[in-house]
Amino acid sequence: NAGVTQTPKFQVLKTGQSMTLQCAQDMNHEYMSWYRQDPGMGLRLIHYSVGAGITDQGEVPNGYNVSRSTTEDFPLRLLSAAPSQTSVYFCASSYLRATYEQYFGPGTRLTVT
Amino acid sequence: DAKTTQPPSMDCAEGRAANLPCNHSTISGNEYVYWYRQIHSQGPQYIIHGLKNNETNEMASLIITEDRKSSTLILPHATLRDTAVYYCIVRVVDTGRRALTFGSGTRLQVQP
Repeated sequence: NAGVTQTPKFQVLKTGQSMTLQCAQDMNHEYMSWYRQDPGMGLRLIHYSVGAGITDQGEVPNGYNVSRSTTEDFPLRLLSAAPSQTSVYFCASSYLRATYEQYFGPGTRLTVT
Repeated sequence: DAKTTQPPSMDCAEGRAANLPCNHSTISGNEYVYWYRQIHSQGPQYIIHGLKNNETNEMASLIITEDRKSSTLILPHATLRDTAVYYCIVRVVDTGRRALTFGSGTRLQVQP
């Protein structure tokens, strides 16, 4: 199993640009989520999904969109990048019955200038 | 979710046991204690969880006090690869948002 994979590993955007962060998992997990981690801070939930076709907002959803067309993939779209979105983004997945045990990807380091 | 308090940093000698404390004095009866760690620049990794009994797995042991107001994560033989930030999280098994709330954690430095 590859586990949770994220692409790209690093990205630099200019203010106003849009992009999609990719996340995929091969563990057949129903639950997937996106977190952001700012320097020296804990993780904050952006969006999550409990299955294909079902998404919901987390703690800090503004400026981000998600969709879940398959069980495996959960892309995160930045609509119009802002410097405040400079952060490390982690994708995570788990079984619905065990969301306390989430598997995290390696992260995407995003810088918005 | 109950608030947790952890020391900001700890040191441990390689090969020794690392004992990481967590205070959760406002924990309620249906809340579990979970531990994760984050090795530098990587995604967090689940370690162990428990309700009121002590738990052990291949990575660590979790000791929860009888009144459940505090717990200790024990890494029995710390190695340099255990250097990481360790997060203690308290939450019910299932919530509508299913979010993990990571505080600031304890930065464990294992010394050679």
